This record gives sequence, C-alpha cells and structure tokens, in this order.
Amino acid sequence: QSALTQPASVSGSPGQSITISCTGTSSVVDGYPYVSWYQHHPGQAPKLILYNVSKRPSGVSNRFSGSKSGNTASLTISGLQAEDEADYYCSSYTSSKTVFGGGTKLTVL
Amino acid sequence: QVQLVESGGGVVQPGRSLKLSCAASGFTFSSYGIHWVRQAPGKGLEWVAVISYDGSNKYYADSVKGRFTISRDNSKNTLYLQMNSLRAEDTALYYCAKESYGSGSCDSWGQGTLVTVSS
Repeated sequence: QSALTQPASVSGSPGQSITISCTGTSSVVDGYPYVSWYQHHPGQAPKLILYNVSKRPSGVSNRFSGSKSGNTASLTISGLQAEDEADYYCSSYTSSKTVFGGGTKLTVL
Repeated sequence: QVQLVESGGGVVQPGRSLKLSCAASGFTFSSYGIHWVRQAPGKGLEWVAVISYDGSNKYYADSVKGRFTISRDNSKNTLYLQMNSLRAEDTALYYCAKESYGSGSCDSWGQGTLVTVSS
C-alpha cells in the first residue's frame, strides 16, 4: 500500500476545473517541499508537470497548479481539455527515497 | 534533446537474473542523478532505485533492496540495473528517468523495457 493516497478516479467536463489530492502518511508529505506531479498517458512515458509542490517545468501549461497544506498536496487542472485525460501521480522525495501515490485516472466527460 | 533508451528486458524464470541498461544522450549524463521506476501491468508507478551523479550514493525501495543493484558508467553515458532473485511481482515495465531541479523529480523519461518473470 502506497504511503501517498490519491483518489482512484476523478472526472470533469471540458472547461471545468478539477482537483486531485495526495495525502501522505506520517511525515512523507508534511514538512517536505519535494512533492512532484506526473501526467501519464497509457503507452507513453510519464511527464513531469509540477515539482517542488507548485513549480511548472518549462513548456507545461499554466492550467496546471499545485499546493500543499499539512500532509496533503493537491493538483488543480483548470480549463479541462480532452487531452488532459490521463493518469496522474503524485510523488514525494524524502531522505533519498521516492514514493509515488497510487495514481488517479482523470476522465474528461 | 534529452533521450533515454532502456534495453535488456525479456522473459525470465523466477529466481534468475537480468540486467537492464539505459543509454542516455542529449545532456551531460555525469551531472545528474538517475532513477529506475517500474509499472506492473494494470498498476501504478513504483519507484525502484536512484543513483547519484557520480555513483557514490545509491538508494533502493524496500521491495528490491538486497536483490537489485543500480550502477552507472559515466564514460559510456549508461545506467544499469542488475536484478537478481527475480520474482513474479517484479514483472513490470521498467523506466529510467533523469532527475532534475534538485528535488528528486524526474523531468525526462525513457519509453521503458518490459520484464516478465514467469516459469
């Protein structure tokens, strides 16, 4: 069982906003700034969309944003588009170990 | 551009060994930590191991500690994963991924190589 808990699935209509939570056990998330989020389309390589909780790599749309409160990190996608349909994973880097959440399947209705 | 190409996957019997490789290009390989991450069929991503830029530090997931060894040859721009005592639960697509931003996040990934452990 992952130390990071994500909802198994979320859905939204085009143009809407959705939020995916990532809740850590003990101190996996709380106090550590190294939370990342990845987008993974089946059959493709995962793509980094946020690092250090809320920073976007070059080229990533500003429709993706992140935040953290206590032991819960969140990914918000605004202005949903069809191409956003994918699996999303949070990860936390602590003491030289990386942990991934179980993943959330986003369906764009 | 950054390119990571995994190889070495295949079908192997339980208890046997396999060595994966990851050939890197398009960046200064010797300056970055590199991770192995796997995805079992129908499952999520699972972190496996990481090696520092110079190979001096290596860390492993509990599920593979003592069985897998990560290594690198900076003269060949290549990362390795030696997998011993393989189990059915090691069946997965194995990705190598380049670390960046000094935060354990991986900004570039390969397409993966499939390892199937089956008798």
